[in-house]
Formats: sequence, C-alpha cells, structure tokens
Amino acid sequence: EAGVAQSPRYKIIEKRQSVAFWCNPISGHATLYWYQQILGQGPKLLIQFQNNGVVDDSQLPKDRFSAERLKGVDSTLKIQPAKLEDSAVYLCASNREPRAEEETQYFGPGTRLLVL
Amino acid sequence: AQTVTQSQPEMSVQEAETVTLSCTYDTSESNYYLFWYKQPPSRQMILVIRQEAYKQQNATENRFSVNFQKAAKSFSLKISDSQLGDTAMYFCAFMNQGGSEKLVFGKGTKLTVNP
Repeated sequence: EAGVAQSPRYKIIEKRQSVAFWCNPISGHATLYWYQQILGQGPKLLIQFQNNGVVDDSQLPKDRFSAERLKGVDSTLKIQPAKLEDSAVYLCASNREPRAEEETQYFGPGTRLLVL
Repeated sequence: AQTVTQSQPEMSVQEAETVTLSCTYDTSESNYYLFWYKQPPSRQMILVIRQEAYKQQNATENRFSVNFQKAAKSFSLKISDSQLGDTAMYFCAFMNQGGSEKLVFGKGTKLTVNP
C-alpha cells in the first residue's frame, strides 16, 4: 500500500511570509497527525484529526498556525506569518484506528522548512 | 503529563556487535504503548518495534528486541548483529491507550555503526 505522502519536501521562506504544507494519509486511515520536529529534538504533536474533526490541538500556536482536514482525507497545515523559530521538519502521520489492537502510526517523509 | 527520557545523545558500535539504547518514561497511566522509531538521514520515521504495557513478554522483531521493565518505567532497545544500515537517530515514544493517542517522543539517540 502507498505510504503517507507529503509536499513540498523542502521550503525556504522569509520571516513574516506564509507557507502551507500538504499531507495525504494512507488510504483508509481515519486518524491524521501533524508533528513539528525542531533540529536535535524529537517530534512534538501539533494537531490530531479523527476523520475531519480535531481531537487534540493543545500545542498548536493558534495565532499563526492553522490546519484543516476536508472530507476526512487530505490535510493542510498553514503558518501565517512565519517566525524564525518555525524552522523545523513538519511530519505528517496516520493510523487506521487509534484503539485498534495493532496501534501504529505511519509517518510521511516530512517537509523541511527554513525561515530566514 | 507524560515524559520520555533518552539519556544517551550519541552512541557508536562496531558492525556485527550488539548495542543497547536506553529509555525511561514517566506516567501515572497503567495502559499504554511504547515504541522505538528509527529515523535515517533521509528523515523518514520508521517503526522498529512496539510494546503493549499489559504484555509481560518483551517484544522482538528479528535483530531488535526490547527490555520492558514496567515497574521501573524502563524500555531499552537491543540491536543484535548491528549493520551499517542501522545508522540513524532512534526515538523512544510513549502513547496513552485512552484519550488523545498522540505519541510523546524522547530527544533521540544518534547511533553510528562503524565498519
């Protein structure tokens, strides 16, 4: 089966500009996650969707970050305006059903963002 | 809140030898999952092994095995017969079985396998 797809793979922008990332989860996966991975650290959850509803966005900086998952499939994460500290890799992950016996999140290749 | 600690920022091992990566975690929950993920320089995060907290038997996947000590809240990864392709960042991660099923990651251990 096809894996989690993300685009673009790399993005360089200047501070105060806006940027958007796209994620297509594995077919049939109900849950989608966006993680932020700053260099030298482990990923940190930004937002979790169950179908097209938000389950957890407690660590999403809502003054500048927004995310949506229309029709419960693809998702877009947006940053507006970007700050220098937003430079990171943005990882998308999905799994079939969070409470299933074989609980596993599958990750995409990530989008590396550099804010100058 | 759950926390995951990986106390070894970097480790190295000779090819074909065995290495153990350490991980401790803190939680008040009794039902949860633990994972080891591998992240090679290409940055694709790959699941290595998972452990359900209610299972006493340690998980194994080919050359990878864990030592899960629930009382001590310890979850170490043993890699046997290390291969050059095992060179990567390794992240230990925790997930609650209920509520928000988000992964909480440690800071990672950079493993280098030397020829």
